[in-house]
Amino acid sequence: QVQLQESGPGLVKPSGTLSLTCAVSGGSISSSNWWSWVRQPPGKGLEWIGEIYHSGSTNYNPSLKSRVTISVDKSKNQFSLKLSSVTAADTAVYYCAREGASRGYYYMDVWGKGTTVTVSS
Amino acid sequence: EIVLTQSPGTLSLSPGERATLSCRASQSVSSSYLAWYQQKPGQAPRLLIYGASSRATGIPDRFSGSGSGTDFTLTISRLEPEDFAVYYCQQYGSSVWTFGQGTKVEIK
Repeated sequence: QVQLQESGPGLVKPSGTLSLTCAVSGGSISSSNWWSWVRQPPGKGLEWIGEIYHSGSTNYNPSLKSRVTISVDKSKNQFSLKLSSVTAADTAVYYCAREGASRGYYYMDVWGKGTTVTVSS
Repeated sequence: EIVLTQSPGTLSLSPGERATLSCRASQSVSSSYLAWYQQKPGQAPRLLIYGASSRATGIPDRFSGSGSGTDFTLTISRLEPEDFAVYYCQQYGSSVWTFGQGTKVEIK
């Protein structure tokens, strides 16, 4: 079955750019699914960051849109997140997730384990 | 952007009791796009319910979802020890996903 694994630096300096990758295994990123990034600040709830389709089409959270870029690398079966101009408020566990879309239903059915990113000097 | 408000914030119950969690949307949501997740400490969210009322693969039948329009409910008929966790509702609309703030179900 499909598995997702996030990777990237665990520490990013303020005003820098956070960069994460989500590797997809057990399936193809070119399947008929969208792929999302979701984050969770310590002790808080879930916040959707954005999504991408294998064609490169993207949608972003309006509150983060100016700082977010999500891209896909079909040759490596992975997708990536870049978040610029980070502050301490961007400290969170970052998850990647697969969006299922079966019979017109929308949900996120496969999640990575998450990776913690701390913004600090 | 549709805002989802979950209530209560915390639910204190004993094993074997019934849990009723509410998710209210700021505007009408398509039932097809309403899902519920369970999250335990240190773990990723787990899909429980999609389409407002369909259980995901492997989810026990003590979990059920209902509702339409702006009011949705997750019910756990008889709480098992492993059900004590945080639950989130989620919706998709106009190319944006939003989550509720979560309801914590804790042991009384």
